[in-house]
Amino acid sequence: ILNVEQSPQSLHVQEGDSTNFTCSFPSSNFYALHWYRWETAKSPEALFVMTLNGDEKKKGRISATLNTKEGYSYLYIKGSQPEDSATYLCAPPGAGGTSYGKLTFGQGTILTVHP
Amino acid sequence: DTAVSQTPKYLVTQMGNDKSIKCEQNLGHDTMYWYKQDSKKFLKIMFSYNNKELIINETVPNRFSPKSPDKAHLNLHINSLELGDSAVYFCASSQDRGWRMSTGELFFGEGSRLTVL
Repeated sequence: ILNVEQSPQSLHVQEGDSTNFTCSFPSSNFYALHWYRWETAKSPEALFVMTLNGDEKKKGRISATLNTKEGYSYLYIKGSQPEDSATYLCAPPGAGGTSYGKLTFGQGTILTVHP
Repeated sequence: DTAVSQTPKYLVTQMGNDKSIKCEQNLGHDTMYWYKQDSKKFLKIMFSYNNKELIINETVPNRFSPKSPDKAHLNLHINSLELGDSAVYFCASSQDRGWRMSTGELFFGEGSRLTVL
């Protein structure tokens, strides 16, 4: 069983605030770490797939970092906008054996950006 | 043109019935998945197919049977539906350089909400 933890569970910020949240995962047998954004009534959309320790990826105002040695990834949103309101999911694949190819999603961080 | 499409989007049926959900992807991906969004809103993997071959079969009841006629389609058939099967089911696809490495991002369908009465 792969334990993936995301914190905080939910977050309320004001428009213009910058924010960040964490994904923790077992550091052994690391392959990749996925981040997805899931807006209400829509389907999850990929933000980043990160594979290397120290990776830093950016898409507009959103960026992510990866530490595979200690087993965590941070997602940052700069200058949050109401349209950033969504659930942000992280998912590492399984640690091996029959877990190959299987993404295990965390419970997500629910972000609400207030105008 | 929807990349991953599922039908139907909504399905309301009686306990004991048999139903199917269809999924098609036009992305040319080799791997397709079925995920279930459980009551706590977690996305849990059910099945994965790579080039029509079953790769992942999580601990789901035998009443759930996936079928992949070709690599662009992965259908989910559910026999003898139970109340606890009510959930949103998501199909997804990905293209991995080596599928076992899980480096290809998943493209999800819009979900199929199944309600069992």
